[in-house]
Amino acid sequence: KAGVTQTPRYLIKTRGQQVTLSCSPISGHRSVSWYQQTPGQGLQFLFEYFSETQRNKGNFPGRFSGRQFSNSRSEMNVSTLELGDSALYLCASSMWTPLHEQYFGPGTRLTVT
Amino acid sequence: QKEVEQNSGPLSVPEGAIASLNCTYSDRVSQSFFWYRQYSGKSPELIMSIYSNGDKEDGRFTAQLNKASQYVSLLIRDSQPSDSATYLCAVNKESNFGNEKLTFGTGTRLTIIP
Repeated sequence: KAGVTQTPRYLIKTRGQQVTLSCSPISGHRSVSWYQQTPGQGLQFLFEYFSETQRNKGNFPGRFSGRQFSNSRSEMNVSTLELGDSALYLCASSMWTPLHEQYFGPGTRLTVT
Repeated sequence: QKEVEQNSGPLSVPEGAIASLNCTYSDRVSQSFFWYRQYSGKSPELIMSIYSNGDKEDGRFTAQLNKASQYVSLLIRDSQPSDSATYLCAVNKESNFGNEKLTFGTGTRLTIIP
């Protein structure tokens, strides 16, 4: 069974731009969670989607948004990029809920200059 | 108090010895507990999950959970250089509103010395 895939793997953007990241979960998994990982803050929860609905949201500004499609694929968008948004963005999928085992994709490394 | 706390290390263990990693959590209603291994520059990889008190063994790995004391630990027997990585503890809890999420500790960096 194929794992979680994320595209693109690397991105370089400038301040003020926006970016969209994509995540395809493991086949059959319906819950998709997004995380931001930085050396200083560790893994921070962004949001979780199930059946095209956002079920939970972390403490990030409204510039961070996401959505999920009917095939469970998910996207996250960051608008008006700031230097501090440079991070590894990770997507994880689980069968029904994050109570169950979550499997991570390889991540998207975003650099904002 | 952080929701999930781990000693950041680095923890150095000789090859072949037992590595012991610890994690404490603050929310008593937490129900699901996970250990992830993350190599430098890679994404976290799930290595163990544990849901009830006691020990759970999988190969060289043993997870231990004590809900009364609110700690979960990971033992790695016969440590190998390939075990050198950062180990992340993650804790979840069920909510009546379906808004579960994983909370991660900051990780313990483990180095196995040949």
